[in-house]
Amino acid sequence: AQSVTQLDSQVPVFEEAPVELRCNYSSSVSVYLFWYVQYPNQGLQLLLKYLSGSTLVESINGFEAEFNKSQTSFHLRKPSVHISDTAEYFCAVRAGNMLTFGGGTRLMVKP
Amino acid sequence: DAGVIQSPRHEVTEMGQEVTLRCKPISGHDYLFWYRQTMMRGLELLIYFNNNVPIDDSGMPEDRFSAKMPNASFSTLKIQPSEPRDSAVYFCASSYRGRESEAFFGQGTRLTVV
Repeated sequence: AQSVTQLDSQVPVFEEAPVELRCNYSSSVSVYLFWYVQYPNQGLQLLLKYLSGSTLVESINGFEAEFNKSQTSFHLRKPSVHISDTAEYFCAVRAGNMLTFGGGTRLMVKP
Repeated sequence: DAGVIQSPRHEVTEMGQEVTLRCKPISGHDYLFWYRQTMMRGLELLIYFNNNVPIDDSGMPEDRFSAKMPNASFSTLKIQPSEPRDSAVYFCASSYRGRESEAFFGQGTRLTVV
């Protein structure tokens, strides 16, 4: 079985500041890793994913995440956040056929 | 494709009533997942199907919950009888074969049981 831990339930940050949302996972088999974003009253949308190859993956809106196998982490970062990045972010692990989500981190960007 | 379509978007029902949530996955996807989201428990996997067959229903909380997938383009999640603690947002998601495929989510059904 696999599990995902998002260490921060809420992260307040000022606009244009950098941010890191932390994600750690455990699994006895190899995994694929995902970050999803959920805006208010909407479903989850894929932000980025790590399948293989380069351990650094990027999204089209400036987010990036780095897969660290030794630390079993997949932290999400953005060097400069915007008000529009305010949302809930979910880290997810797929091992086998099941997709397991972390508890979510609410990113609150303040002006 | 229109994406994963769930209906209704909102449902308010009285305790004891039967509730049926509906999902149309993306055409060609062969995995379908039902999730429940609450403030207390976050996002929980209830059940998932592969090629219309239920593979793992260990997340279904009680016998009051049942899910079916009669064909590749339709699935239902039924709660009978409903209870106030079932109030949550229920998401359906689908994905293409393969572990590397991400899941695509519907907009969710917000269920309120009074």
